[in-house]
Amino acid sequence: ETGVTQTPRHLVMGMTNKKSLKCEQHLGHNAMYWYKQSAKKPLELMFVYSLEERVENNSVPSRFSPECPNSSHLFLHLHTLQPEDSALYLCASSPGTGSRYEQYFGPGTRLTVT
Amino acid sequence: QQPVQSPQAVILREGEDAVINCSSSKALYSVHWYRQKHGEAPVFLMILLKGGEQKGHDKISASFNEKKQQSSLYLTASQLSYSGTYFCGINAGNMLTFGGGTRLMVKP
Repeated sequence: ETGVTQTPRHLVMGMTNKKSLKCEQHLGHNAMYWYKQSAKKPLELMFVYSLEERVENNSVPSRFSPECPNSSHLFLHLHTLQPEDSALYLCASSPGTGSRYEQYFGPGTRLTVT
Repeated sequence: QQPVQSPQAVILREGEDAVINCSSSKALYSVHWYRQKHGEAPVFLMILLKGGEQKGHDKISASFNEKKQQSSLYLTASQLSYSGTYFCGINAGNMLTFGGGTRLMVKP
């Protein structure tokens, strides 16, 4: 595997379900990110991790819970979501945090909340 | 504060040129440009880190006007493969804040 991978690619879940999104980067980067992309809205940063420590939490509801067990893996745990949470969730990584570093994105998980 | 991109959409014929602008109400220290094709992940194009900087590869280039707090992306002699949505991202501490995107369609 190369680059940034995400699983699953598609997910349909009910509002009472609990599920997790997984992201893995094979680039040796130190920073990882979760973004939400909704139709007709800009990319919204959700969380930033640097060397497994959370450095940004962009006012995200607590029904989204990130986990970064090591610098290569990032999870997003989901529970009791709302229909408006349906979106494309993108993971990205970069060599470091800060705006000097380019970000490499995964293909995303298309989430539908019913 | 989210940067403002213009235009929101543009349609070109192959071989035509286009300019996409990205403006900020705050001081800019860096600007990123990404392209996202339909159903795919955004792909990094380039970063500009200081005022007056210009970069480019192939026929896509960008400039960064620090004083005007804006950046422009130039697509020259467009190809069908240039179609997609272009996003600028500006510095905000440890975060990038992205613009709403410019949808570019290149037709034969």
